[in-house]
Amino acid sequence: EVQLVESGGGVVRPGGSLRLSCAASGFTFDDYGMSWVRQAPGKGLEWVSGINWNADTTRYADSVKGRFTISRDNAKHSLYLQMNSLRAEDTALYHCARNIAYCSNGVCYVDNNWFDPWGQGTQVTVSS
Amino acid sequence: DIVMTQSPDSLAVSLGERATINCKSSQSVLHSSNNKNYLAWYQHKPGQPPKLLIYWASTRKSGVPDRFSGSGSGTDFTLTISSLQAEDVAIYYCQQYYRTPLTFGGGTKVEIK
Repeated sequence: EVQLVESGGGVVRPGGSLRLSCAASGFTFDDYGMSWVRQAPGKGLEWVSGINWNADTTRYADSVKGRFTISRDNAKHSLYLQMNSLRAEDTALYHCARNIAYCSNGVCYVDNNWFDPWGQGTQVTVSS
Repeated sequence: DIVMTQSPDSLAVSLGERATINCKSSQSVLHSSNNKNYLAWYQHKPGQPPKLLIYWASTRKSGVPDRFSGSGSGTDFTLTISSLQAEDVAIYYCQQYYRTPLTFGGGTKVEIK
């Protein structure tokens, strides 16, 4: 069974940092790109960042660019999100998700993917 | 960025009746290279992570009940639940994957009337 389990969330003051982790199991981790998607309280879903299978391509939402860094360790089957300079508006439940990318003729398109499955999420609260 | 707009924000449907959710993109998500619409639908129940229902606008994920169907092309899409069941109470989101940033609609809450 494919499983994604996030950890590392918590309460942090504005300007602080957190590192989220996502432990993957049940599939060949380095066959897939991965993403972080968040949901602020009472709001909808917002894609935050994505990374391809070997980490040579990363993407970020404008709202987090320059503050968040996505990374992965394929040997540990783990995905990470380093979050710096946190703001109140970063308060959200952060899900990791496996990217299902469009592939054609042996080429997989990093920027064209949907998400399946998603982890339960880890809560990040930024408050003074 | 491609803006995804869903309507209605919420709807209440009687058990066994049809539920229809609309999703409109600010630009076409139909790719000319492969004639595919880069659109997915998710179901999100309280306390659970979102679950993929449909991709390529109309391809149902394996295991998803066939009462769920997706249709549309270009900028206008629809998710239909043909006969609403109690377990279908959830918020439904569309998502475009035509280009980054990947974006979601605001969600449609489906309840039982």
